[in-house]
Amino acid sequence: NAGVTQTPKFRVLKTGQSMTLLCAQDMNHEYMYWYRQDPGMGLRLIHYSVGEGTTAKGEVPDGYNVSRLKKQNFLLGLESAAPSQTSVYFCASIKRESTDTQYFGPGTRLTVL
Amino acid sequence: EDQVTQSPEALRLQEGESSSLNCSYTVSGLRGLFWYRQDPGKGPEFLFTLYSAGEEKEKERLKATLTKKESFLHITAPKPEDSATYLCAVQAGAGGTSYGKLTFGQGTILTVHP
Repeated sequence: NAGVTQTPKFRVLKTGQSMTLLCAQDMNHEYMYWYRQDPGMGLRLIHYSVGEGTTAKGEVPDGYNVSRLKKQNFLLGLESAAPSQTSVYFCASIKRESTDTQYFGPGTRLTVL
Repeated sequence: EDQVTQSPEALRLQEGESSSLNCSYTVSGLRGLFWYRQDPGKGPEFLFTLYSAGEEKEKERLKATLTKKESFLHITAPKPEDSATYLCAVQAGAGGTSYGKLTFGQGTILTVHP
């Protein structure tokens, strides 16, 4: 099993450009999450999904959109990137709602100039 | 609003010098408290889950404890390979559903010198 994978690993955008980050998991997990991590602020939840075709807002959803068309994939989109979205983005998944361990991907480092 | 505060922000230890990291929390019905380890350039890696006050869990040189207001991660005789950022997170919603959502602290950067 590859676990949770993220694509791309690094990306540099100019202000106003758009991009999509892909998260894939091969563990048949129901719930998936997108976080951002900034220095001194820990991880903050952007959006999450409790199943195929469903998404919900987290703590910091503004400027992001998500889609979960397939159970194994969770996409995070930036329609018009801003410098404030420079961050490291992590995807995570768990089997089912509970205190199951969240498995994290390796992260995507995004810089918006 | 759920809040998690970790202290200290950074901790430097000599190899073999035991110490503790603190995680203070306020949450509306604790469902679970999690400890993760994060190495530079990598995603967080699960260490422990604690569910109720008085609970303790151990793994090698690490021991996590939980009270109603805080959790401690005790590191006994640390080695340089224990150097990492340690993250604490809480899951709220005891008695209901939380959809697995976690609220994280800002982390403690631990450096162990040989």
